[in-house]
Amino acid sequence: AQKVTQAQTEISVVEKEDVTLDCVYETRDTTYYLFWYKQPPSGELVFLIRRNSFDEQNEISGRYSWNFQKSTSSFNFTITASQVVDSAVYFCALNSGGYQKVTFGTGTKLQVIP
Amino acid sequence: ETGVTQTPRHLVMGMTNKKSLKCEQHLGHNAMYWYKQSAKKPLELMFVYNFKEQTENNSVPSRFSPECPNSSHLFLHLHTLQPEDSALYLCASSQDFPGAEAFFGQGTRLTVV
Repeated sequence: AQKVTQAQTEISVVEKEDVTLDCVYETRDTTYYLFWYKQPPSGELVFLIRRNSFDEQNEISGRYSWNFQKSTSSFNFTITASQVVDSAVYFCALNSGGYQKVTFGTGTKLQVIP
Repeated sequence: ETGVTQTPRHLVMGMTNKKSLKCEQHLGHNAMYWYKQSAKKPLELMFVYNFKEQTENNSVPSRFSPECPNSSHLFLHLHTLQPEDSALYLCASSQDFPGAEAFFGQGTRLTVV
């Protein structure tokens, strides 16, 4: 069985602060993929990043960075120098056992206060 | 422009009504999905289609009836819904290989009265 846990339901930070969104996953498969999506108020989920289980290299894209650690089954997302436009709900997701087998976490609502 | 378009954006319907949600993608994807998003719950995968064939039905009640006439269009037909069916219904598409990212529409906010 697959499971994704995002323990932080809501986070509020002041603009320019750094913030880390946690994601813990469970799967028995050795091959799997992890994703982060952003859902702004407009509704559509927007793909941010994908990592496969064989690549633990951390990734940085501008103010965004991701820390993938198989030892703790975590795939955390850090936003550096947060901005108001970062306010959204962020979802972590796990894909294993076929392209259609995707499990989403409950999401973390991030509010960046000016 | 997300590449996946859903209509209508908002829908209010009575429990005895019949309505349909429409989804359209022109990204060349082979797989299309319906998800249900309720407050404080994970996204629930409802149906998956691959090349017009249904490949997943996650124990969805029969009052939800999907239709996929071609790889670009997906419908969700609704009839005799319950108030607890009120939610945001999201359509998505992707390539049909493991690890493919999904592209989502903006959703239909459904309210059942």
